[in-house]
Amino acid sequence: AQSVAQPEDQVNVAEGNPLTVKCTYSVSGNPYLFWYVQYPNRGLQFLLKYITGDNLVKGSYGFEAEFNKSQTSFHLKKPSALVSDSALYFCAVRVPYGGATNKLIFGTGTLLAVQP
Amino acid sequence: DSGVTQTPKHLITATGQRVTLRCSPRSGDLSVYWYQQSLDQGLQFLIQYYNGEERAKGNILERFSAQQFPDLHSELNLSSLELGDSALYFCASSATDSTGGNTIYFGEGSWLTVV
Repeated sequence: AQSVAQPEDQVNVAEGNPLTVKCTYSVSGNPYLFWYVQYPNRGLQFLLKYITGDNLVKGSYGFEAEFNKSQTSFHLKKPSALVSDSALYFCAVRVPYGGATNKLIFGTGTLLAVQP
Repeated sequence: DSGVTQTPKHLITATGQRVTLRCSPRSGDLSVYWYQQSLDQGLQFLIQYYNGEERAKGNILERFSAQQFPDLHSELNLSSLELGDSALYFCASSATDSTGGNTIYFGEGSWLTVV
C-alpha cells in the first residue's frame, strides 16, 4: 500500500537556523511527492513537488526538498528559518489510478515552531 | 489565494441534520477532490470527481455524497450528522495532465461543527 510517514510530530528551531522536516514514503513505482503547509485556521498551501529530474526541488517561501530514492525520503529544508514559517507541514504522495485520477495520501503532519 | 472557493466557511448544525458544502474549482480545472481533516483521523481523502463523473472513492461514509455539476462546481452533502462528523472539510482541484504529477490546490476549507 502507498503511504507516507512524518516521524516527528513537532520540530523546534531557532530563527535564523536551518530547518529540516522529515518525510519518508512507501510506494510501488515512481513516486510523485508533495509538500503542503497549513497556517492556523487556513487551508493547505502548495509548497513544492517532485515528479522527476533533479533530486533537489525548490519551492515557495525559500523552501526546498531533497528526493532520495535509496532512502525513500523527501525531507523539507530551509537554510534560515523565520518565525513566520511556524505552521503545520504535510508531506503527501500521489497514488495513481490511471487517467486523470490524482489522489493524494497525506502524512500525519509536523508542527514547525520557530522561536525568535 | 489558491483559486479554489469554498462556502460556507463555518457551519454549526445539530445532530441528525443535513448540510451541503459547496466548492468552485480553479478556472479550467476538471478534477475536484474532497478531503476531511480531523484531529483523530488527520487528512482523509473522501472522493474525487473528474468532469462530472466519480473517479475515485476513499473513506467516505454512506451518509455522505457528492456530485460535480456541468459548470464543474461540486457539492458535498452530509446527512444524519453525528458529533464525530465535526471537522474541516477541504475541497481541492487540479488540471488534467496526461504526464501526471498534477498539483492539487486546496481551498480554505469549511469548518463544520455538529452540536
